Amino acid sequence: TQLLEQSPQFLSIQEGENLTVYCNSSSVFSSLQWYRQEPGEGPVLLVTVVTGGEVKKLKRLTFQFGDARKDSSLHITAAQPGDTGLYLCAGVGNNDMRFGAGTRLTVKP
Amino acid sequence: EPEVTQTPSHQVTQMGQEVILRCVPISNHLYFYWYRQILGQKVEFLVSFYNNEISEKSEIFDDQFSVERPDGSNFTLKIRSTKLEDSAMYFCASSPLVRKNTEAFFGQGTRLTVV
Repeated sequence: TQLLEQSPQFLSIQEGENLTVYCNSSSVFSSLQWYRQEPGEGPVLLVTVVTGGEVKKLKRLTFQFGDARKDSSLHITAAQPGDTGLYLCAGVGNNDMRFGAGTRLTVKP
Repeated sequence: EPEVTQTPSHQVTQMGQEVILRCVPISNHLYFYWYRQILGQKVEFLVSFYNNEISEKSEIFDDQFSVERPDGSNFTLKIRSTKLEDSAMYFCASSPLVRKNTEAFFGQGTRLTVV
């Protein structure tokens, strides 16, 4: 079983602050995906990282895939209340995709 | 925009009863998944399905669970004899194929409550 550990589990910050959340595993993945989930809804894909060391930017969000393809980070610059939500990483294997427990982010105005 | 649809949105059932959760994946997708999320907990992989057979299943997906694609459009999850601990949100997802950069599209989920 491939386990993904996300940290921190909960994060509460003020609007305008920067933050980084982490996704770590002892397993190597063919790719890693970041999703965001709103209450009562299904996860929605934010980005997929494929190559070790890859960095992708999505507006104020920066995603990095570790060189060994075992870990990833999500950095948000100047967080806004609209960024509030559950951020999930998911490791893609041969025939499955498994999620970490998520980081629940709250951005206070 | 194509989307994954799940029915019903909420199902209440008595312990020991059978339930069938239904999903209509995006029409040209080939890979299908079921996940569950117990309230406040992580999204847990149950099963993946490709080419009319199970590709991978988790330890959660025991003999009480089964999946079927009966008519080429629906993808169903059956729980034969529900237990209280089966209460959760169940999400169906589909993707064109499991490739490195393939997005999985999730439905809105079915909230199953076992009483």
